[in-house]
Amino acid sequence: DAKTTQPNSMESNEEEPVHLPCNHSTISGTDYIHWYRQLPSQGPEYVIHGLTSNVNNRMASLAIAEDRKSSTLILHRATLRDAAVYYCILGNLEETSGSRLTFGEGTQLTVNP
Amino acid sequence: EAGVAQSPRYKIIEKRQSVAFWCNPISGHATLYWYQQILGQGPKLLIQFQNNGVVDDSQLPKDRFSAERLKGVDSTLKIQPAKLEDSAVYLCASSYRPMTSGGETQYFGPGTRLLVL
Repeated sequence: DAKTTQPNSMESNEEEPVHLPCNHSTISGTDYIHWYRQLPSQGPEYVIHGLTSNVNNRMASLAIAEDRKSSTLILHRATLRDAAVYYCILGNLEETSGSRLTFGEGTQLTVNP
Repeated sequence: EAGVAQSPRYKIIEKRQSVAFWCNPISGHATLYWYQQILGQGPKLLIQFQNNGVVDDSQLPKDRFSAERLKGVDSTLKIQPAKLEDSAVYLCASSYRPMTSGGETQYFGPGTRLLVL
């Protein structure tokens, strides 16, 4: 499985934007970039995913570098509820029986009031 | 739409005892996953089912762990006998593979927190 590299922790202030980086230098052409987050005492939840183009949804934006070797998850206005561990994961569309998610240790985001 | 349900939420057992966890995936989801999450680490896949068939159980410690998914819906994960190092959160997830979109979203349940004493 292709691996990703994320900072162990980041801090932000409430109502400010947050940029969470992820490096995936060994990404293959068919790997999708997925982001999940895990709030305290909960299971992971899907945030966003993309292949080549930048993506936006109601939760966040995903900016993908032109060479696809890195990506950034953008939370436009952090709230206290966004404090969580954020995982950047590569998923391959060619899996014939469902995608496999290989979680790393993620980035612990702290949001200060 | 109801999410992935798991029970129990918490379980404390003595080592060498047995324990079972139950998962009910989102209706219509063909793929079901069990993960183990040790404190401070990301979840690790134990087993993946497609309908009621096992797709990947390469990381399941088969000498003590077993799982089944009868009728392609609910699933149970069993540990017998439990060891101290099995203390972890056991997460169940499910997914439905859209044929036209890339990637696949997994929906996770709240997990079962197991403490082995």
